[in-house]
Amino acid sequence: AQSVSQHNHHVILSEAASLELGCNYSYGGTVNLFWYVQYPGQHLQLLLKYFSGDPLVKGIKGFEAEFIKSKFSFNLRKPSVQWSDTAEYFCAGTYDRGSTLGRLYFGRGTQLTVWP
Amino acid sequence: DAGITQSPRYKITETGRQVTLMCHQTWSHSYMFWYRQDLGHGLRLIYYSAAADITDKGEVPDGYVVSRSKTENFPLTLESATRSQTSVYFCASTPGTVKSGANVLTFGAGSRLTVL
Repeated sequence: AQSVSQHNHHVILSEAASLELGCNYSYGGTVNLFWYVQYPGQHLQLLLKYFSGDPLVKGIKGFEAEFIKSKFSFNLRKPSVQWSDTAEYFCAGTYDRGSTLGRLYFGRGTQLTVWP
Repeated sequence: DAGITQSPRYKITETGRQVTLMCHQTWSHSYMFWYRQDLGHGLRLIYYSAAADITDKGEVPDGYVVSRSKTENFPLTLESATRSQTSVYFCASTPGTVKSGANVLTFGAGSRLTVL
């Protein structure tokens, strides 16, 4: 079965620290991968996405993620976090097959807390 | 942007009552989804719809009913609410074709439901 897993449930950092959030997926075929962010009290917003091509994708607000097929990973990174990055981060994947097109499988989420 | 709206945003009900959560999108997206978000579980798919009059179960469909008589609306009904259905419910939509950027879900603001 397809799945997405996030191993860090809660990450606490100080401002200016570097961030890396882990994400692994389990499907061996064609995958599309996403990172969504949910700020406190708000709905999910797309941070970045990978469909094909360059495995290093850049998103909004200085975030980037690297697709490593051999490791089934799509980790999210940011060189220097800010207090305003405090949010919950969700990795998600979809598997490009017929009727499930558009159906996302979400990880459980990682709560990031950044201290000023 | 107000392209996808959910109502009500907050609802308190009692066990056994019927509750309907509304979702309306203005983009004529083919695919629509209902997710529930619970602490420790991330987002779990309840139902999704590929087009008007086409719906399918997700991971956790028990206790829920959906309909899609019009492309723009995708209501979710709890026929007899239970306490375990206390959650935040998110509606989402996507165009439905890979070339048009499908698989990039756009989420509504969420409906917080409390069942007493």
